[in-house]
Amino acid sequence: EDKVVQSPLSLVVHEGDTVTLNCSYEVTNFRSLLWYKQEKKAPTFLFMLTSSGIEKKSGRLSSILDKKELFSILNITATQTGDSAVYLCAAVDDKIIFGKGTRLHILP
Amino acid sequence: GAVVSQHPSWVICKSGTSVKIECRSLDFQATTMFWYRQFPKQSLMLMATSNEGSKATYEQGVEKDKFLINHASLTLSTLTVTSAHPEDSSFYICSARPPLAGSYEQYFGPGTRLTVT
Repeated sequence: EDKVVQSPLSLVVHEGDTVTLNCSYEVTNFRSLLWYKQEKKAPTFLFMLTSSGIEKKSGRLSSILDKKELFSILNITATQTGDSAVYLCAAVDDKIIFGKGTRLHILP
Repeated sequence: GAVVSQHPSWVICKSGTSVKIECRSLDFQATTMFWYRQFPKQSLMLMATSNEGSKATYEQGVEKDKFLINHASLTLSTLTVTSAHPEDSSFYICSARPPLAGSYEQYFGPGTRLTVT
């Protein structure tokens, strides 16, 4: 059965800390891995990763994929209270399979 | 660009009644739309894939007679929850995929929170 597992399920850190969110996946016909940020409503797209070892960056956020070990990480440096959200990882084969998310809370 | 709207944003209904949720792609044509359900602190679960002009494809465990999906035009898909029960209370999110887009390229609507009393 295709599945996506994220860890930790929740995380509380202080503003300015760096966090690493984990995502492992098992899908039959893997095409790409996606990261989303979900605040109060629908998820917003962060990254799409297709190739192993190539880091994608957007400001303080970065992500990398390891297709051999079947996992990805999302790093957030110098966290801010506005980073508080649920971060969803999803694996794409013929459809998108979401993990349960990591609930990140940044304390001021 | 690539805006998807949903209506209503929240709805409360009584057990046994039916509720219709609309999903519209506002500035692009969507040959494929997806309907997800999200329970509190749970992941998005794909319910069905809706293709314009054809029957929806439902995921295993989703009752097609209970969750009626109609994708009558390239900009509108509707999800009707029939004979709603309290366990149907959830956050329903649609997404839309433009033609010729990769499977990852989905634009999410803002979601509809359904509460069945």
